[in-house]
Amino acid sequence: GESVGLHLPTLSVQEGDNSIINCAYSNSASDYFIWYKQESGKGPQFIIDIRSNMDKRQGQRVTVLLNKTVKHLSLQIAATQPGDSAVYFCAERAWGNTPLVFGKGTRLSVIA
Amino acid sequence: DADVTQTPRNRITKTGKRIMLECSQTKGHDRMYWYRQDPGLGLRLIYYSFDVKDINKGEISDGYSVSRQAQAKFSLSLESAIPNQTALYFCATSFEDQPQHFGDGTRLSIL
Repeated sequence: GESVGLHLPTLSVQEGDNSIINCAYSNSASDYFIWYKQESGKGPQFIIDIRSNMDKRQGQRVTVLLNKTVKHLSLQIAATQPGDSAVYFCAERAWGNTPLVFGKGTRLSVIA
Repeated sequence: DADVTQTPRNRITKTGKRIMLECSQTKGHDRMYWYRQDPGLGLRLIYYSFDVKDINKGEISDGYSVSRQAQAKFSLSLESAIPNQTALYFCATSFEDQPQHFGDGTRLSIL
């Protein structure tokens, strides 16, 4: 889930298990959502996106689910690997020319 | 993303100094952005530009200014730095409303 204050929520997962990272968004007018991965010392890196006319989208080992009814977004990572350890951010956008609004992030820690 | 280059990567300076952070891109993107990241607070938008003649304030523009010198260059200035501007700063680019691509950040410390 999203953090409040200075402490990021942390998800610890055993290597090989599936990970689910959740995000609650606030703007019911948001129609585009993105997940980013940020490794230590680097900028955020695009993982996957989804538009509001879809409720599921799959990439390589990742799936994003969108539930507009409860304004909830999740990122599922299959067969989590040590290289997946990072901070994950969701971001939303209301319409084409408004900037992205980022959530506060969740730290994923993979236990070997 | 090596196509988005931020300079310097690290900077330590004193309160009251003027500081400029630079961003250049080789992606040919029209849109550029400056974000600030503080521990546990995610990314907050400072300014953004949709083309060379367009500058827009973001969520936290007070104390900052920007210049879009060319399509490929977008600089962020702190006119008179203060300690609470100590943070990690990221530049990002996008082609129209496509996903943003980020540089690797500038770590700025103001004493």
